[in-house]
Amino acid sequence: DVKVTQSSRYLVKRTGEKVFLECVQDMDHENMFWYRQDPGLGLRLIYFSYDVKMKEKGDIPEGYSVSREKKERFSLILESASTNQTSMYLCASSPRGEPPYEQYFGPGTRLTVT
Amino acid sequence: DAKTTQPNSMESNEEEPVHLPCNHSTISGTDYIHWYRQLPSQGPEYVIHGLTSNVNNRMASLAIAEDRKSSTLILHRATLRDAAVYYCILRADSNYQLIWGAGTKLIIKP
Repeated sequence: DVKVTQSSRYLVKRTGEKVFLECVQDMDHENMFWYRQDPGLGLRLIYFSYDVKMKEKGDIPEGYSVSREKKERFSLILESASTNQTSMYLCASSPRGEPPYEQYFGPGTRLTVT
Repeated sequence: DAKTTQPNSMESNEEEPVHLPCNHSTISGTDYIHWYRQLPSQGPEYVIHGLTSNVNNRMASLAIAEDRKSSTLILHRATLRDAAVYYCILRADSNYQLIWGAGTKLIIKP
C-alpha cells in the first residue's frame, strides 16, 4: 500500500521559532509537493520538487524554504514562524511520466504558531 | 490558469446516485480534468481523471461535456463514507501542478 507520512499530526510553536516539517514517501516518486490548506482558500502550493536537490516555487513560497537531499524525503522549513503561518500543511508525491500524475497525500500536519 | 466552479455544498441520501457538477468554461485543449476528495481529518485522495471521453473506475464515473466546458462526477450509490469535500481540478498536460478550488462539500443523509 502506497504511503506518504508526515512527521507530526499536530505541532505548536512560538513566534520566531524555526520549524521543520518532514515528509517521507515509500513509492520511489520523483515529484514531491508541499501545500497549505486554510478554510475558504483550498489548497495552495508552497514548493515542489521534481528531483533530488531540485525545487520550484509554488504560489506562496514567502516565509518558507525546502530541502530535498534524498529522493524519499522532502522537508518544509519555516525560518522564523509567524502567526499567519498557522495552518494545515499537506505533503504529496507523484510519479513522473505518463498522466495523470496522480498525487498521493499524507495525513497533514496542523501547525499552530502562538 | 483555467479555473473551476463548483457548488459549495450538496446533500444526497444514502444508497442513491450523486451527481457533482463542475464548470470550467476557460479550459484549454490540453487540460486534464481531475477529481480528488478529502475525507474529514485526512489528506486528499485521487478519485478519477479524464481528458475528452467519459471515464469509469471502481470509485466513480466522470462525464465530460462535448465542449469540455463542464463535467460531472457520478457516485453511483453513495454511502456515508463518501461524505467529503470533492475537488474538481484542471491540470495542464505539461505541468505537474494542480490548481485547487474550494470544492463541494457532499453531505450524505442516512
